Amino acid sequence: AQTVTQSQPEMSVQEAETVTLSCTYDTSENNYYLFWYKQPPSRQMILVIRQEAYKQQNATENRFSVNFQKAAKSFSLKISDSQLGDTAMYFCAFMKFSGTYKYIFGTGTRLKVLA
Amino acid sequence: NAGVTQTPKFRILKIGQSMTLQCTQDMNHNYMYWYRQDPGMGLKLIYYSVGAGITDKGEVPNGYNVSRSTTEDFPLRLELAAPSQTSVYFCASSPVELGKNIQYFGAGTRLSVL
Repeated sequence: AQTVTQSQPEMSVQEAETVTLSCTYDTSENNYYLFWYKQPPSRQMILVIRQEAYKQQNATENRFSVNFQKAAKSFSLKISDSQLGDTAMYFCAFMKFSGTYKYIFGTGTRLKVLA
Repeated sequence: NAGVTQTPKFRILKIGQSMTLQCTQDMNHNYMYWYRQDPGMGLKLIYYSVGAGITDKGEVPNGYNVSRSTTEDFPLRLELAAPSQTSVYFCASSPVELGKNIQYFGAGTRLSVL
């Protein structure tokens, strides 16, 4: 069975600085997807970034980038130039490459961006 | 531009009451999911559906039932509400095409059972 671990329950960062959120996972699958979702106080889950395991290149989306280490089963999220609107819960999620497209979520990291 | 719509947004139930949480998506997605999120925890899958007429259990199905009579709708039924079912419930949908497997979430339903 797959598991996803986020070891940082809470983090804070000063506005305009960079922060990295950690995620590790355990799987015997070779092909899979990894995701970071953001959940602001409004509760709406929003996709931040996605990584396919077969791609060696790390995904980037504007100020968000990942450091995907397949051998180490690590998938960290880097937020550059942090903004107050980045304050939210961040969830790491795993999905097998085939089958029923079910997510396995981590327990989340609460990020607070300080003015 | 509705996406995934959940109703109601909030509900308080008494122990033993029943209710249905509604979920509708207008993106013609085959896959739909129900999750619950307990305080300080990640989302846990309750039930999912891979298409109209097909449903299956997730991690935490006890105390819940679902149906999928149309592509658009995926209601979640609580038959005998218990305090352990106090949670925030999220519905999500996803297209089936490989490479387009992002899940789109509704805004959630906060349920309290007292």
